[in-house]
This record gives sequence, C-alpha cells and structure tokens, in this order.
Amino acid sequence: DVKVTQSSRYLVKRTGEKVFLECVQDMDHENMFWYRQDPGLGLRLIYFSYDVKMKEKGDIPEGYSVSREKKERFSLILESASTNQTSMYLCASSLRLAASTDTQYFGPGTRLTVL
Amino acid sequence: QQPVQSPQAVILREGEDAVINCSSSKALYSVHWYRQKHGEAPVFLMILLKGGEQKGHEKISASFNEKKQQSSLYLTASQLSYSGTYFCGTGRPILTGGGNKLTFGTGTQLKVEL
Repeated sequence: DVKVTQSSRYLVKRTGEKVFLECVQDMDHENMFWYRQDPGLGLRLIYFSYDVKMKEKGDIPEGYSVSREKKERFSLILESASTNQTSMYLCASSLRLAASTDTQYFGPGTRLTVL
Repeated sequence: QQPVQSPQAVILREGEDAVINCSSSKALYSVHWYRQKHGEAPVFLMILLKGGEQKGHEKISASFNEKKQQSSLYLTASQLSYSGTYFCGTGRPILTGGGNKLTFGTGTQLKVEL
C-alpha cells in the first residue's frame, strides 16, 4: 500500500512566520503535488514536482514555494504566512504512469491556522 | 478553470440511487473520481478515459461523454459507507515529465441515512 505522510495534522502559526509543511511518500513515486482545500472551493493545486529539484507552478502558487531535494520528500514553504493561508493542505504522489492511468495518492492533510 | 459539479449536496436513504455530474468548459482527456470521508484523505475511485467509457466498482460506476465534456458518477443501492464528499478531477498530461495534473471540482457532499 502506498503511504503518504505529512509532518503535522494541525499547525498554528503567527502572521509573518516562515512555515514548512513536509510530505514523505514511501513508494518511490516520481510525481508529488501540494493542494489546498477550502470549503466550497474543492482542492486547488499549488505546486507539483516531477523529479528531484524540478517543480512547476499549479493554479494558485502565489505566496508559496516548494523544495524537493530527495525523491521521497516534498516540502511546501510559506515564506511569510498570512491569515488568508489558513487552510487544509494536502500532499499527493503518483507513480507517473501513462497520463491516462496515473493515479494520485493523498496524505491525511495538515490543517494550518495562521493567527 | 475548475470543472462544475452538481448537485452540491444530496441526502439519500439507504438503498436509493444517486447521480453526480461533472462538467468541464475545456476538452477532457481523462476524469478522475475521488471520495473523501470527513477528516480523511481523498481516496481514488476510478479513472474515465476518452471514448464514452463506462467503468464500475461494485455498485459505483461512471461514464465519460467526450462530446459533452462531461462525466457522471452513478451510485446504485447506496449504503451508509458511501457518505462523504465526491470530487471529480479533470486530468491534463504533465508534458515535462509524465503523469497527470488534476483540476478538481468543488465537490458534492453525499449523506446516506437509514
């Protein structure tokens, strides 16, 4: 079974702090993704990575950056947290099969509150 | 642009059927369906491909209409365990590496009651 783990289930930070959210997958997946989930808006893609040190912007990258130094680990960074970044953050990974069959596996999420 | 899901919410009695629709303004390559129970991670249900394909998983099946740019999820003889939020994701190939980039709809909340 694929396992995607995230470093914290709940996190409380103050406005202006630098925040790191960590994600680790144990199935040697090539692709990794960060989403945020807000009520009424569904899941929105922030960034994704298709290889170590390679990344691409998703649909809402503003205010975020990412880092992938090792294949199994993908970090989401909030350089200066703001209250509008209070959200549930979900990490996902996929093996990178043919586009028609590639499946994403999700972690349990980190609920971040910025005060 | 996010696909549009309808209905936003539905309440069923156990044993009833439901249909959830997912419409896109863009051409569809693939549609991915997920279910998320409260407080848990989204779980993959199935992928639908171009060609009007219909797939099934126990009493949950789905169809893909490429012309209408629409997919529908069919839940038959619903069970309490079907409760959760259902998301469709429209897939686009990641050209730089492979695999899919997904754009999710806003979700449909399904509650099954006794």
